[in-house]
Amino acid sequence: SQQGEEDPQALSIQEGENATMNCSYKTSINNLQWYRQNSGRGLVHLILIRSNEREKHSGRLRVTLDTSKKSSSLLITASRAADTASYFCATKGQNFVFGPGTRLSVLP
Amino acid sequence: ETGVTQSPTHLIKTRGQQVTLRCSSQSGHNTVSWYQQALGQGPQFIFQYYREEENGRGNFPPRFSGLQFPNYSSELNVNALELDDSALYLCASSLATQPTYNEQFFGPGTRLTVL
Repeated sequence: SQQGEEDPQALSIQEGENATMNCSYKTSINNLQWYRQNSGRGLVHLILIRSNEREKHSGRLRVTLDTSKKSSSLLITASRAADTASYFCATKGQNFVFGPGTRLSVLP
Repeated sequence: ETGVTQSPTHLIKTRGQQVTLRCSSQSGHNTVSWYQQALGQGPQFIFQYYREEENGRGNFPPRFSGLQFPNYSSELNVNALELDDSALYLCASSLATQPTYNEQFFGPGTRLTVL
């Protein structure tokens, strides 16, 4: 089974609301990264958090990492219609493993 | 735009054929990884090359092979194509003094359809 598992699988919110996505993983990691993918195109790196970090911010993004629970969350604040995409967490252990993703829809 | 390019954009092959996909890494990057992404799924790691040597491989059979060239461009070769090989193939480049997988820059992908 995959290392990373995002939750929920799909999320639909109104513009201006916050969106929270969660990621769980199974083995020890060096770092965890979040990526965004617009419909069938290449992935765009959003943020990387190292295993010795607990929280990181980048613009409207906030990522937390709890290595004791093997979980991470991505918060997008004040969402916009342009945030509509699939979001993936990716963990770096021996290899690089992506979860199945959360499909976020932000309605205008 | 990440500076990573892939060719071709789309490709249609028949079962049993062979295919070569190409990737040009972002300038200065010495590491390239290849991923297979089936529709509605997350990318699956195929393998990674670091300074022209394979440096990690996912759960893919030997008919998936690769090369990295001195200019850090890369190829993914798939022999004896099967219907399940239909997917979006993504390459990602990064810079690593050691292969610690820092931020990866993805290309737009090659959509392969096997009939």
